[in-house]
Amino acid sequence: KNEVEQSPQNLTAQEGEFITINCSYSVGISALHWLQQHPGGGIVSLFMLSSGKKKHGRLIATINIQEKHSSLHITASHPRDSAVYICAGTTRGSQGNLIFGKGTKLSVKP
Amino acid sequence: GAVVSQHPSWVICKSGTSVKIECRSLDFQATTMFWYRQFPKQSLMLMATSNEGSKATYEQGVEKDKFLINHASLTLSTLTVTSAHPEDSSFYICSARDWLGGSSYNEQFFGPGTRLTVL
Repeated sequence: KNEVEQSPQNLTAQEGEFITINCSYSVGISALHWLQQHPGGGIVSLFMLSSGKKKHGRLIATINIQEKHSSLHITASHPRDSAVYICAGTTRGSQGNLIFGKGTKLSVKP
Repeated sequence: GAVVSQHPSWVICKSGTSVKIECRSLDFQATTMFWYRQFPKQSLMLMATSNEGSKATYEQGVEKDKFLINHASLTLSTLTVTSAHPEDSSFYICSARDWLGGSSYNEQFFGPGTRLTVL
């Protein structure tokens, strides 16, 4: 079992739909990251959370520390949101490297 | 702010040659840089953690003599794939962590990646 699990693995939506991607983790982390990877490969950091909720434009990320669960929501989805969304946890300790989920491939159809 | 660059963005080389990939933090100082590898349709896998001025820490299964990492300054880390073989073909991504402590400490900034193809 992976230490960071994402669901769903693939997601197809129609433009305008509300989208939720879930992430559960089984290890202690000091922060939870949501990353976006476009087909070209480049990665953009969307959010870094250690508690509560953050919002940036149409994107909302929440985390429940007790339940070790985080969600990424996209409101009014658009074809340009099509990408792979990756959940990652910062490990505790001095190195603080990331452990990654396998990603959720999102396709938003016009 | 917080921009990380990688060079080259793609490289094609013959089997047996060595390839150097650079990772630079452009507007901040990074005491720690991470090197990841991503095979098609798979998630990123940490290869090594690079701390400025000291030897890199390699993950289990990553050959340190094959993947040479140098982090000689607070803004530059290099990954050299020595005697590259076709199975080394992959997407290599670096990330950098700002040396400043506090709330920004956990944040990592990713480079755009380098696609290596070994013929």
